[in-house]
Amino acid sequence: QVTLKESGPGILQPSQTLSLTCSFSGFSLSTYGMCVGWIRQSSGKGLEWLANIWWNDDKYYNPSLKNRLTISKDTSNNQAFLKITNMDTADTATYYCALWERDFDYWGQGVMVTVSS
Amino acid sequence: DIQMTQSPASLSASLGETVSIECLASEGISNDLAWYQQKSGKSPQLLIYAASRLQDGVPSRFSGSGSGTRYSLKISGMQPEDEADYFCQQSYKYPLTFGSGTKLEIK
Repeated sequence: QVTLKESGPGILQPSQTLSLTCSFSGFSLSTYGMCVGWIRQSSGKGLEWLANIWWNDDKYYNPSLKNRLTISKDTSNNQAFLKITNMDTADTATYYCALWERDFDYWGQGVMVTVSS
Repeated sequence: DIQMTQSPASLSASLGETVSIECLASEGISNDLAWYQQKSGKSPQLLIYAASRLQDGVPSRFSGSGSGTRYSLKISGMQPEDEADYFCQQSYKYPLTFGSGTKLEIK
């Protein structure tokens, strides 16, 4: 059974760096073809894809966030990570991690992140 | 970036009614299209992948169709549990992009 769960700081101040962790079970990110992605959703708004990391460590980022994103993984501990630098109030959102098989087949419950001074 | 234009933004349907939601891609996406359902306060769930393939466990009243730049999601016989937001998403090219969503309510 595949499960994913996001964790993060909850609240941070503008200009700080957001560090998110996705802890998962039921699959291994070292297995051929596996991929974990990060997606966010502002309150009452649509979905925005942020980044994907593949089993072979290939990484893809949303260029709209320029060079603020870093995705990584720890296959030994079944975790994926996302860092976003220079956070702004506009980055306030619920952040999801998801397993990509055919598309985003399995999602975590999401973690709410608020950026406020 | 490939823009996904989703319509309508909101929709109200009676129980048993058939509803359709459309997504128009700004360029051809070769059936690399998924549909997600998001119920209030929950995470999105994959309904349809590859434009027309039903995800395991999804009721057969959901179906997807389309090609090229035009795709649609159909619900044949609205049920109370279908009240939700629906999103399309293309995976033809990075960056992955989503439609703006359709809020489906029961009339």
